[in-house]
Amino acid sequence: GAVVSQHPSRVICKSGTSVKIECRSLDFQATTMFWYRQFPKQSLMLMATSNEGSKATYEQGVEKDKFLINHASLTLSTLTVTSAHPEDSSFYICSVADRVGGYTFGSGTRLTVV
Amino acid sequence: GENVEQHPSTLSVQEGDSAVIKCTYSDSASNYFPWYKQELGKRPQLIIDIRSNVGEKKDQRIAVTLNKTAKHFSLHITETQPEDSAVYFCAASKDTGRRALTFGSGTRLQVQP
Repeated sequence: GAVVSQHPSRVICKSGTSVKIECRSLDFQATTMFWYRQFPKQSLMLMATSNEGSKATYEQGVEKDKFLINHASLTLSTLTVTSAHPEDSSFYICSVADRVGGYTFGSGTRLTVV
Repeated sequence: GENVEQHPSTLSVQEGDSAVIKCTYSDSASNYFPWYKQELGKRPQLIIDIRSNVGEKKDQRIAVTLNKTAKHFSLHITETQPEDSAVYFCAASKDTGRRALTFGSGTRLQVQP
């Protein structure tokens, strides 16, 4: 598999501010990373596919100008929630497709917008 | 795109009984089917997976079966224990490495002591 580190684990921010979430692949060069969002008692929904050195591919209904994804290196992808509002409060989790054909997940970030 | 349906949404069993969770998928090109256990506030943990060239896989008390023709796969947990209580998700993917997983809606399993 792979080792994936995600930070922060929890963040509380004020409405209107921006929050950056980092996802690092510690032992594997990940050309592709995935970002999911999970609302309480719901499933994981794919937000976007992050591609190293190119633009992310967003799922239908996900605002690319609100959820900025940067995958500047083979080990780091970032998700920035811009102008966050209470409805953006959720559990955000990244994933890497590992070298053995499976997927490894980050530990997730609990975002609370107040 | 892929659509994965999962049933039941909740399942309550007595300790020692078996539990079965079923999923169907829509994309016949999907070839990787993992099952995850998720505890509250934690990342999904892979418990077992199966690829399309295999019909069944077993790991101690956990087994997964795949019917490619019918496009469905199932998770079987035998001799359930209270610590098996969690939310379980099935998922499907094709072209692992470049394509994301599509998750089912989840099943909340409660094992009563």
